[in-house]
Amino acid sequence: DIVMTQSPATLSLSPGERATLSCRASQSVSSNLAWYQQKPGQSPRLLIYGTSTRASGIPTRFSGSGSGTEFTLTISSLQSEDFAVYYCHLEWTFGQGTKVEIK
Amino acid sequence: EVQLVESGGGLVQPGGSLRLSCTSSGFTFRSYDMHWVRQAPGKGLEWVSYISTTSNTIYYTDSVRGRFTISRDNAKNSLYLQMNSLRAEDTAVYYCAREFSVMVTGNLGWYFDLWGRGTPVTVSS
Repeated sequence: DIVMTQSPATLSLSPGERATLSCRASQSVSSNLAWYQQKPGQSPRLLIYGTSTRASGIPTRFSGSGSGTEFTLTISSLQSEDFAVYYCHLEWTFGQGTKVEIK
Repeated sequence: EVQLVESGGGLVQPGGSLRLSCTSSGFTFRSYDMHWVRQAPGKGLEWVSYISTTSNTIYYTDSVRGRFTISRDNAKNSLYLQMNSLRAEDTAVYYCAREFSVMVTGNLGWYFDLWGRGTPVTVSS
C-alpha cells in the first residue's frame, strides 16, 4: 500500500509569510494528488486536485506542484484564515496532516 | 443549498451496533459515487468505505471489512453505514463525502469535493 508522509508536522509562521508544505509518497504515484484544509470543528475543504488545479473558490495564493513521490502545497502569503491543518490525499490514502499555526 | 448531513452517531458499548445516515440535498445524489471517511479524536483523516452510483461496486478499508456495510437509497438521496461489532478504535467523527471525478492532464482522478459536518461515534463501556 502507498503511504503518504507529510512534513513538517507543524509549521509556525507569521501572517504574510510563505508556507511550504510537503507530501511524500512511498512510491511513485500519478498526479491525482489533492490537498484539503481543515479548521477546528469543521469538515475538510478541497483546495487543490490533480496536483495543481485549484478547486472552485480557492484563492490564488494557494498553489500545488510536484510529481513522482514529492508534492508541495504553497501558500504564498498567509492570511489569518489560513491557519489550519492541511492534508494531502491520493485515492484511498491521506497524509497525517501538517498544522500551520501562528508564530 | 448543496449539502450533506450525517446523523445516527452516539455512544455505544464495544460489540454494539450503529447505523449512520447521510442525507443529501441540492444536487443529483444518484449521479455521484459516495464515501465514508472518519477522523479519530485528535488524529488525521482515514478513508473507510466507497459505494458506486448503482451500488454495484463497494470497497472497505481492511480494518472494517466484515463489520461495516455501506449502502445507499437513491430514491431517498441517502447514504448509510451499518456498523456492527464496534471496537474502541472505531471511535471517530464519521463524514460522508461526495466523490468528484475529473480528468487532469490525461489522468482520471477522484477527490472529495463535498463533505458533511460529521457525526461522532464513541465506542466505550
